[in-house]
Order: sequence, then C-alpha cells, then structure tokens
Amino acid sequence: GENVEQHPSTLSVQEGDSAVIKCTYSDSASNYFPWYKQELGKGPQLIIDIRSNVGEKKDQRIAVTLNKTAKHFSLHITETQPEDSAVYFCAASKNTNAGKSTFGDGTTLTVKP
Amino acid sequence: NAGVTQTPKFQVLKTGQSMTLQCAQDMNHEYMSWYRQDPGMGLRLIHYSVGAGITDQGEVPNGYNVSRSTTEDFPLRLLSAAPSQTSVYFCASSLSGTLYEQYFGPGTRLTVT
Repeated sequence: GENVEQHPSTLSVQEGDSAVIKCTYSDSASNYFPWYKQELGKGPQLIIDIRSNVGEKKDQRIAVTLNKTAKHFSLHITETQPEDSAVYFCAASKNTNAGKSTFGDGTTLTVKP
Repeated sequence: NAGVTQTPKFQVLKTGQSMTLQCAQDMNHEYMSWYRQDPGMGLRLIHYSVGAGITDQGEVPNGYNVSRSTTEDFPLRLLSAAPSQTSVYFCASSLSGTLYEQYFGPGTRLTVT
C-alpha cells in the first residue's frame, strides 16, 4: 500500500520567517495531495491541496509544490505568524482507491513571536 | 450547517466494556470515515463508507464495527474495549471519497483502563 513520510516532525521558526514541510509518497498512482492544519483540541482542517496535473499551487501565504518524478510534495508558508502554530499533516490518495487516503505522521510547527 | 458532529467529546471505559461513538454530518456527503490519532502518529483509517448501506475496512479495523443506515450517520462501535484502543477518534466526511476535501469532526478522546 501507499506509504507517506513527512519531515521534519517538529519545526520552530521566528515570526516572519518561512517554513517548509516535506512529504514523500511511494505509490506513483497517487494523484491527490491535501495538506491539513490541526489546532490544539480540534479536528484537522484542509488548508491547501494539489492534484497531479499541477506542479504548484498558491493561496496567499501558503503554497504547495509537487514533483511527480521524485514523488514528493512540499508545503511552504511565508511570513509566518504565531497563529500558524499547529500540527500540519500531508496526505495522498488515488483514483483507483478513493475510499482510502494515507496521512503523514505530522509536523508540529511553532512560530515564536 | 453544523458540519460534522461527534459525541461524546470524552469517554473513559473499563477493559471489556462496549460503546458506540456517534458521528453525524448535515452536508449530504456520500463519503464518511473514521480515523484514530495516536501521539506522534498520523491519522490511521479504521473504517469508511462510500454511501448508505456500504462500508469497508481501513488500515486498522480490528476491534471496531461500523454501519451506515442513513447518509447522515456513521456510528463506530467498540465491541470489547482494550487499553490499545486509547486514542483520539475523528470522524470525517467528504463529497465523494478521499479525492476531495475531508471535513473532520472535533474528535472523541477515549481512555480505556
């Protein structure tokens, strides 16, 4: 089955700096890659997603890049703010098994004011 | 819309007891799923449903049962609770499978002693 590895497990940055979280996946058939943000005591919430026919997607301070050849995708957060502090999860899914998605183990991001 | 609701928020069980975690959504989503989240690990899929009357196993189904008699509800049953089932449980729904945004409930924190 699919295996998703996420790095780093913890990340600490100063307010205003950029943060990058990387995920690799094993199944070349995977074609949907969402990123979720989980704040303390809450359920995960989608912040951005990308499909395999696109190499990059941006939404204000957040961007995701996808390298299908290398089977990795990354989350980029620019101009970080204290409210960006949370746990971030990547995931991968594919058409032929749309009932299942595989999540990475999560990255705890701390933005220091 | 209330989105995805889960009850209870917290539960303590003794080993061997059974209970049902409730999940409901009011978005008319076809797809619903149950995940467990353990410290340092990502979200692991327990069971999922692609529509009323249809359920299937995820990555870690042992010790859990589900049913989907209506589009709105997707309860998770623990048959005979074990300490290994101590975890935070999240229910999620989406328009159609994991190739679209999944909306997560607030979670149920379960402790089995």
